[in-house]
Amino acid sequence: AQKITQTQPGMFVQEKEAVTLDCTYDTSDQSYGLFWYKQPSSGEMIFLIYQGSYDEQNATEGRYSLNFQKARKSANLVISASQLGDSAMYFCAMGGSRGSTLGRLYFGRGTQLTVWP
Amino acid sequence: DAGVIQSPRHEVTEMGQEVTLRCKPISGHNSLFWYRQTMMRGLELLIYFNNNVPIDDSGMPEDRFSAKMPNASFSTLKIQPSEPRDSAVYFCASSLWTDRVNTEAFFGQGTRLTVV
Repeated sequence: AQKITQTQPGMFVQEKEAVTLDCTYDTSDQSYGLFWYKQPSSGEMIFLIYQGSYDEQNATEGRYSLNFQKARKSANLVISASQLGDSAMYFCAMGGSRGSTLGRLYFGRGTQLTVWP
Repeated sequence: DAGVIQSPRHEVTEMGQEVTLRCKPISGHNSLFWYRQTMMRGLELLIYFNNNVPIDDSGMPEDRFSAKMPNASFSTLKIQPSEPRDSAVYFCASSLWTDRVNTEAFFGQGTRLTVV
């Protein structure tokens, strides 16, 4: 069964500091994709970063980086130099590649990040 | 590209009425997803299509819910009859499926449904 676990319901970080949001996953697929999304209070879902299971390098997009540890099945999001606008709900997701998981995206329950001045 | 377009953005309806939510995916994308988001249950996948074919509808809560994708550029999610517990934000998302995995899914703005 495919499963995404985000164990931190809420996180707090001071502006300009770095923060790590945890995500672990469970899959028997050999090929899969990992995603992070941001949902601000306005409600839209914003794609942040993608990591393929065969990618050897950790993905980076500006201040976002994905700490991918395949053996531990973790895909933590690191936000560097936090800004007040980073306050939002963050979702980790995984895309399967075969059988019943083909094409499906699985989401975790999310982590609410609050950045304070 | 304009992104994934959903309509309406807000819908308030009376219990028992039919509700139709609409989605136009990003051109060139071949996978389309309908999600429902509530505080209690988080993001739930209702159904997803690949090349206009429903692949998995196990998340559709009841027979009151139905979804169609008549062509690559349009999908609908219908609730008939609607009930107050259907109140939620409904998201449509699309992505490009290759022979390995999905690329990132892009979400529409969502439809906030309130059934009174």
